[in-house]
Amino acid sequence: GAGVSQSPSNKVTEKGKDVELRCDPISGHTALYWYRQSLGQGLEFLIYFQGNSAPDKSGLPSDRFSAERTGGSVSTLTIQRTQQEDSAVYLCASSSGGTSYEQYFGPGTRLTVT
Amino acid sequence: AQSVAQPEDQVNVAEGNPLTVKCTYSVSGNPYLFWYVQYPNRGLQFLLKYITGDNLVKGSYGFEAEFNKSQTSFHLKKPSALVSDSALYFCAVRVPFSGGYNKLIFGAGTRLAVHP
Repeated sequence: GAGVSQSPSNKVTEKGKDVELRCDPISGHTALYWYRQSLGQGLEFLIYFQGNSAPDKSGLPSDRFSAERTGGSVSTLTIQRTQQEDSAVYLCASSSGGTSYEQYFGPGTRLTVT
Repeated sequence: AQSVAQPEDQVNVAEGNPLTVKCTYSVSGNPYLFWYVQYPNRGLQFLLKYITGDNLVKGSYGFEAEFNKSQTSFHLKKPSALVSDSALYFCAVRVPFSGGYNKLIFGAGTRLAVHP
C-alpha cells in the first residue's frame, strides 16, 4: 500500500517569504507528526495531531510556525516570514495508534532559505 | 524528565564483526521502545520495537535489540555487520501525556560506519 508522502520534495525560498509543506499520511492513520531535522542531526519534534486536533504543539519553535490537519488526513505545515535558520529537512510521520505506536515516515521536504 | 539517550555519536565496526548501538531511556511506567534507521538522503525506516514479552526482539535486516529493565537500556545489535548497514540509527521511546495521548521521543542518533 501507499506510504506517507510529502510535497514538495525540495523547496528553495527567499528569506521573508512564506512556505507551505504538505503531508499525506497512510490511509486510516489517525495520528500525524511533524519533525525537523537539520543536516546530519537528530529529530526535533514540532507538532502532533490526533485526528484534526493538535494536543501537543510544544515543539513549534516560534509563532511563525503553524500547522493544520483537515478531514483527519492531509496536514499542512506553514512557515511564515522564513529565516535562514529554518533551513532543514521537514519530516512527517503517521501512526495507526492503538497499541502499536510505531510511526511511519515520509521522505521529507528539504527546505532551503536563501 | 522522560528521555532517551544515545551515548555514542558514531560507532565504527569492521564488516563481518558484531555491532552494538547503545540506547538508554528514562520513562515512567512500562516502556515502549523503538529503533529506526535512516539511510543517506532517505526517510526513517522502522526496524523493530519492544512492547512486552521476550526481552530479545528481532527486526528487519537481521537486527535485534535487547531490553534490559534493570539497566534501562535497549541496545541494538547485529551478529555480523555489512557495509550496507552504514547509516544513522535512532532509538525512540513512547511518552504518554495528558489526555490519554502518546508520542515518541527520539534520541540524537548514532552514525554507524561499517568498514570493508
